[in-house]
Amino acid sequence: QVQLMQSGAEVKKPGASVKVSCKASGYTFTSHYIHWVRQAPGQGLEWVAIINPSGGSPSYAQNFQGRITVTRDTSTNTIYMEVSRLTSEDTAVYYCAREAKISSAYSPFDYWGQGTLVTVSS
Amino acid sequence: EIVLTQSPGTLSLSPGERATLSCRASQRMSSAYLAWYQQKPGQAPRLLISGALDRPPGIPDRFSARGSGTDFTLTIARLEPEDFAVYYCQQYGTSWTFGQGTKVEIK
Repeated sequence: QVQLMQSGAEVKKPGASVKVSCKASGYTFTSHYIHWVRQAPGQGLEWVAIINPSGGSPSYAQNFQGRITVTRDTSTNTIYMEVSRLTSEDTAVYYCAREAKISSAYSPFDYWGQGTLVTVSS
Repeated sequence: EIVLTQSPGTLSLSPGERATLSCRASQRMSSAYLAWYQQKPGQAPRLLISGALDRPPGIPDRFSARGSGTDFTLTIARLEPEDFAVYYCQQYGTSWTFGQGTKVEIK
């Protein structure tokens, strides 16, 4: 069965960086784009980034340009998201999610990871 | 950027009642690029229905969606106890954006 397994919760100080992982299984890793979506406490969903596991450059939301880097490791079927220069406003649950259609960036998100809570606090 | 505005913010209903949730887009868009998700506390969102794929396997047919242009609606025909949750609309035709959510609570 399709699974997206994310790394565990993180606590970071302002100004630090955090790297969250999303390991895919149960399907052909390179066939489906992966997104990152975040949710601040008590708030809604915010799209962060997209990556094509088969290649090409990731795309990032305007709000995060220059602070977020998404990478892939096809040997381990894992997507990574690194956020730098953290502030308290980055405190959120970060989800990875899979595009439903094969090789498409224009379909809904059919599978989600369990979420990774990143807390930024001094 | 397409902004999605959901209403109402909270819907208070009883089990068995019909729920109608609204999602308004800031510009015209195709219903083929609109999806609805359900989220329960402490859980990841779950895809309910979309223009691209209709209802995924396992989603009951009491959930339906319609709309065109800028106005879209999710209807839950008869609320079951497990349907009380937060619902988000999402567009994926021009970048990706979500509405702010509608909470369906037990009256």
